[in-house]
Amino acid sequence: DIQMTQSPSSLSASVGDRVTITCRASQSISTHLNWYQQKVGKAPKLLIYGASSLHSGVPSRFSGSGSGTDFTLTISSLQPEDFAAYSCQQTYSTLLSFGGGTKVEVK
Amino acid sequence: EVQLVESGGGLVQPGGSLRLSCAASGFIFSTFRMHWVRQGPGQGLVWVSRINSDGSSISYADSLKGRFTISRDNAKNTLYLQMNNLRPEDTAVYYCARGYRLVAPAATGGGYYFYMDVWGKGTTVTVSS
Repeated sequence: DIQMTQSPSSLSASVGDRVTITCRASQSISTHLNWYQQKVGKAPKLLIYGASSLHSGVPSRFSGSGSGTDFTLTISSLQPEDFAAYSCQQTYSTLLSFGGGTKVEVK
Repeated sequence: EVQLVESGGGLVQPGGSLRLSCAASGFIFSTFRMHWVRQGPGQGLVWVSRINSDGSSISYADSLKGRFTISRDNAKNTLYLQMNNLRPEDTAVYYCARGYRLVAPAATGGGYYFYMDVWGKGTTVTVSS
């Protein structure tokens, strides 16, 4: 199975900050990496697929990069509605897997 | 409106069984692969199982194989998850999600990108005596 490791597990930030979350795969997954946002008590929402493609309707302040084993989700200027948990997911293997999640909290 | 609605969760004793359902509407259910994903209290997302559009191809997370069975009824636009021999560690919110497939750029090696683009609100399963 492919293990996905996210860091940090949580971070504190202020509105307007640039936020970066990393995700590392235990083996190369090319660009088969998705990012999801989840607010408390809600279902996850797709943000980015294919490591860097923005899903329809997602604000352009979100961006993704990386390939192989190392990936990054960046929020260029954190907005109040962005305080949430973020999870990466690999779809390279038939057996899918998620990272442990990163909680973005108010500083 | 594209929608997924889960049901069937509840309180069950260890060793018991539950069948979850996921009713789909607003899209052609029979053309999409579907997934179950769960999330334990205060924990991250865990992929549970996937079924392709006609039910001929199924995958499970290794840790769950043998106790959980995914199925679908395309005539009823419904996805199912049969859960047997439940354990306290199966306590979680269970989400169904639509799987989308997109052709990947040739520069990345080709093939397909897969992602979960529509999610239900989830149903809660609690395993406790």
